[in-house]
Amino acid sequence: GQQVMQIPQYQHVQEGEDFTTYCNSSTTLSNIQWYKQRPGGHPVFLIQLVKSGEVKKQKRLTFQFGEAKKNSSLHITATQTTDVGTYFCAGPGANDYKLSFGAGTTVTVRA
Amino acid sequence: SQTIHQWPATLVQPVGSPLSLECTVEGTSNPNLYWYRQAAGRGLQLLFYSVGIGQISSEVPQNLSASRPQDRQFILSSKKLLLSDSGFYLCAWSPSGRITDTQYFGPGTRLTVL
Repeated sequence: GQQVMQIPQYQHVQEGEDFTTYCNSSTTLSNIQWYKQRPGGHPVFLIQLVKSGEVKKQKRLTFQFGEAKKNSSLHITATQTTDVGTYFCAGPGANDYKLSFGAGTTVTVRA
Repeated sequence: SQTIHQWPATLVQPVGSPLSLECTVEGTSNPNLYWYRQAAGRGLQLLFYSVGIGQISSEVPQNLSASRPQDRQFILSSKKLLLSDSGFYLCAWSPSGRITDTQYFGPGTRLTVL
């Protein structure tokens, strides 16, 4: 079945620096979604990308969907302590009605 | 606006005891409903999903079961808990239709089985 892989599993970032986390699928995705889970909290929907090559921004967060619709990235600029948490990508397969979540990238920030 | 509730927030249960976790959604009709489990520091494992009253799809064979007695109520149960059932249980909903749409998660229940 369709699998969604995320790298890296952990990201330790100095406050103010940029970083990118990546999401890769074994099959073409009709859409990709990103969620954020703060420590001790529940996942919260951030954004959905649908079109090939789509780029969306939310303040310091930039989300991109690959041209082949099999990968996605989340880039955070000028990391802040409020960015701490685990970022999950999730996507369905072309003929799969289940939403599959990646294992997540856990981000910690050094002040 | 839509809201999702889960209770209890935390639960400590002995091995072999029964379990009942409840999830309710307000402000929407005929939502798709989901139960996930998250082990400590791990990803989300889909346990069950439901596209309507009485319709339950199981993703992982185990000693858990789910029921949907009302349109906006989803219950996760077990007759006898195992140590491996410990984890963070999350209920989520999405608008009716394809279940691959955006999902909205409840606050979760932290279950510890001793």
